[in-house]
Amino acid sequence: QSVLTQPPSASGTPGQRVTISCSGSSSNIGSNTVNWYQQFPGTAPKLLIYSSNQRPSGVPDRFSGSRSGTSASLALSGLRSEDEADYYCGAWDDNLNGVIFGGGTKLTVL
Amino acid sequence: QVTLRESGPTLVKPTQTLTLTCTFSGFSLTTSGMTVNWIRQSPGKALEWLGLIDWDGDKKYTTSMKTRLTISRDTSKNQVVLTLTNMDPVDTGTYYCARIRPYDSSNAFDFWGLGTMVTVSS
Repeated sequence: QSVLTQPPSASGTPGQRVTISCSGSSSNIGSNTVNWYQQFPGTAPKLLIYSSNQRPSGVPDRFSGSRSGTSASLALSGLRSEDEADYYCGAWDDNLNGVIFGGGTKLTVL
Repeated sequence: QVTLRESGPTLVKPTQTLTLTCTFSGFSLTTSGMTVNWIRQSPGKALEWLGLIDWDGDKKYTTSMKTRLTISRDTSKNQVVLTLTNMDPVDTGTYYCARIRPYDSSNAFDFWGLGTMVTVSS
């Protein structure tokens, strides 16, 4: 069972804006920044957002992140078919003294 | 450029010990702020952080595996080794090594290996 809670699925049509939520607690999201990863089937995850709202070089500005209290969210605007993938949130947990992940959200582009 | 690559057996028997090696380049694990982590993904399941070793040789492990898991390093070879004892079929999955983005407090995994699939079966 994941310590961070994500919806198992999300969907949208091309061009739409979709958000994926990630809910935690005071020991993780409440006190540490959140990171988001994109994973295509059969491939390694790729860092999409770090420090809750920063994009690594090369990640389109269609992707954005935010954090408030013990929750965080990833937003994808101008949805494209190539965005169809699994998305994971992750954060450091001070009580567990390690990194925790959400259960993942499968994004479908209709 | 930073790269990481996992290597090791693809099949182990129950109760055996798994040893995986992560060979990396493009950074030194003796540089302050550097860490290498192991992350596992069971088929169809979420990512699971297993543990890390940092530039100082300090290690952290996920609580559920503390008695079975050891992470070590060979800085001269730019390698990090995962050893997991008493393997069970539930340990089947893809094992990744990944670097934590250095010089900030994000604990974000910025570079990943391709992963290696390990099956536990008799």
